Amino acid sequence: DAGITQSPRYKITETGRQVTLMCHQTWSHSYMFWYRQDLGHGLRLIYYSAAADITDKGEVPDGYVVSRSKTENFPLTLESATRSQTSVYFCASSELGGVSPLHFGNGTRLTVT
Amino acid sequence: AQSVAQPEDQVNVAEGNPLTVKCTYSVSGNPYLFWYVQYPNRGLQFLLKYITGDNLVKGSYGFEAEFNKSQTSFHLKKPSALVSDSALYFCAVRDDQAGTALIFGKGTTLSVSS
Repeated sequence: DAGITQSPRYKITETGRQVTLMCHQTWSHSYMFWYRQDLGHGLRLIYYSAAADITDKGEVPDGYVVSRSKTENFPLTLESATRSQTSVYFCASSELGGVSPLHFGNGTRLTVT
Repeated sequence: AQSVAQPEDQVNVAEGNPLTVKCTYSVSGNPYLFWYVQYPNRGLQFLLKYITGDNLVKGSYGFEAEFNKSQTSFHLKKPSALVSDSALYFCAVRDDQAGTALIFGKGTTLSVSS
């Protein structure tokens, strides 16, 4: 089915480990986004991408790395996980960037111990 | 810099009563405004948007929102609340002179009692 899929759904990792969160969309949308959701902060933008091989920082990019070698995939890597990165991570895509609605995945709940 | 505020953490209404979830914004240019809803353990779902045109925007599930430029507000409304409307609601804004990404408010929990 068409849509946006995030994996894993839940992840527990230890401080200092590298972890990659996957995001795949089947619409061929140009734009993709990573947000984190924390109580009291709402959603904060980590990184976004306007097309393959084009990425840009959002509000809270420190400690994260993204890549976009293919239009449909937009993985998010935590190079050395910290407890402050415990959060729910949402990937989203949109057809035309800022004027089009975002389509969200169901999120990855990440716990860093 | 663009920003959005949702002044109420929680709104409580009785089923059948009208509901309002408040949102104010700040941008340098023209705002593109959105409302999203989130149900437990799910991603956000798009409800409605204002880009240009009529100040009253109608969206999914009977929701509507009114753009007020002088008050820099975009309040979400529904004439008659349903218990199934209980969820977390997010307002989001993009400044047409400040790039692509949406900035979200902190969210308002709507609780509709039967």
